[in-house]
Amino acid sequence: AQKVTQAQTEISVVEKEDVTLDCVYETRDTTYYLFWYKQPPSGELVFLIRRNSFDEQNEISGRYSWNFQKSTSSFNFTITASQVVDSAVYFCALSERKGSGGGADGLTFGKGTHLIIQP
Amino acid sequence: DVKVTQSSRYLVKRTGEKVFLECVQDMDHENMFWYRQDPGLGLRLIYFSYDVKMKEKGDIPEGYSVSREKKERFSLILESASTNQTSMYLCASSWEAGYTEAFFGQGTRLTVV
Repeated sequence: AQKVTQAQTEISVVEKEDVTLDCVYETRDTTYYLFWYKQPPSGELVFLIRRNSFDEQNEISGRYSWNFQKSTSSFNFTITASQVVDSAVYFCALSERKGSGGGADGLTFGKGTHLIIQP
Repeated sequence: DVKVTQSSRYLVKRTGEKVFLECVQDMDHENMFWYRQDPGLGLRLIYFSYDVKMKEKGDIPEGYSVSREKKERFSLILESASTNQTSMYLCASSWEAGYTEAFFGQGTRLTVV
């Protein structure tokens, strides 16, 4: 069975510090997809990034970067020069690609990391 | 932009009531999902649907049922609400489940008293 572990329940940093959110996953499939979502206080989950299991290239988008390492089954998320608006709960999620006829597959989420950026 | 709309932001219901949570998406997505979110437990999948009138159980389907009569609408039904179903409920939709990202509604915070 697939599993996602976000060991950090809550992280608090001062604005402008860099912060890394950890995500470790378990799966027996060779084809799978990893996601990060942000949930601000308003409650709606916002998609940040998707990565498939065959693409280990790191990704950078502005102040956000993601480090995918299959060797350690990790997909960590770093925010550089954090800002108060980054305060939110961040979820890592995993999906395995089922074979044809398998119907839809939901995401398996980690329990989330509550990130607090203090001014 | 993809829009997933849940009919209520907050609901208070009594134990034993039949409760309907409605979700509508406007992007012609095949797949729709219902999750519940509880502190310390993250999001857990209740049911999903990959086509009209098609549904499959997720990880925690007990006490719930779903209905998908039209492609854009996916309803979650609590047959007889209980206090342990007090939670935040999130609806989502996607093009290809497990492959493309899911888009979420704003959530319905349900309190059962």
